[in-house]
Amino acid sequence: ELKVEQNPLFLSMQEGKNYTIYCNYSTTSDRLYWYRQDPGKSLESLFVLLSNGAVKQEGRLMASLDTKARLSTLHITAAVHDLSATYFCAVDRSGTSYGKLTFGQGTILTVHP
Amino acid sequence: NAGVTQTPKFQVLKTGQSMTLQCAQDMNHNSMYWYRQDPGMGLRLIYYSASEGTTDKGEVPNGYNVSRLNKREFSLRLESAAPSQTSVYFCASSPLAFARDEQYFGPGTRLTVT
Repeated sequence: ELKVEQNPLFLSMQEGKNYTIYCNYSTTSDRLYWYRQDPGKSLESLFVLLSNGAVKQEGRLMASLDTKARLSTLHITAAVHDLSATYFCAVDRSGTSYGKLTFGQGTILTVHP
Repeated sequence: NAGVTQTPKFQVLKTGQSMTLQCAQDMNHNSMYWYRQDPGMGLRLIYYSASEGTTDKGEVPNGYNVSRLNKREFSLRLESAAPSQTSVYFCASSPLAFARDEQYFGPGTRLTVT
């Protein structure tokens, strides 16, 4: 059974600081997705990581994937209040189960002035 | 493009009642999905449809049925609602599940079963 674990689950940051959210998963996969969810809203796709060593950056967010370690990171640089949201990683099982995403529990990020 | 739309946005049911959640997408996607989101648990896949005419169980299918009515529409039915089905339900779609595409999510339906 594929398990996906994020840490931390809660993250309170000051504006201007850097931090990293970690996403560990338990079985082989070469597809990992990061989503953002604002309170009471739907999920918005941030990054799609499809191979070992993949790195994607958008604004103050950078995501990477290490398939050998079964680890993805979402790095936040110089946080701003607008980044406050819940961040989910999701892993797609390899083989015949493509499309069946398993989500992490989510990391609730709050950025304070 | 409206993207993925869901109806209703909110619903309250009594235990034992039935209802159907509707989902439609206008992006010509082949694959569609139903998830539920509960506090502290992320999203869990209920059912999915890789392409028109096919459906498959996800992680938590018990108590639900689905219908892929056509390429655009994918409905989720609760035959006899239970309090444990109180949740937020999201529909999603992707161009093709096998092609590693990201999934696009609808706005969600908040369901309460009393």
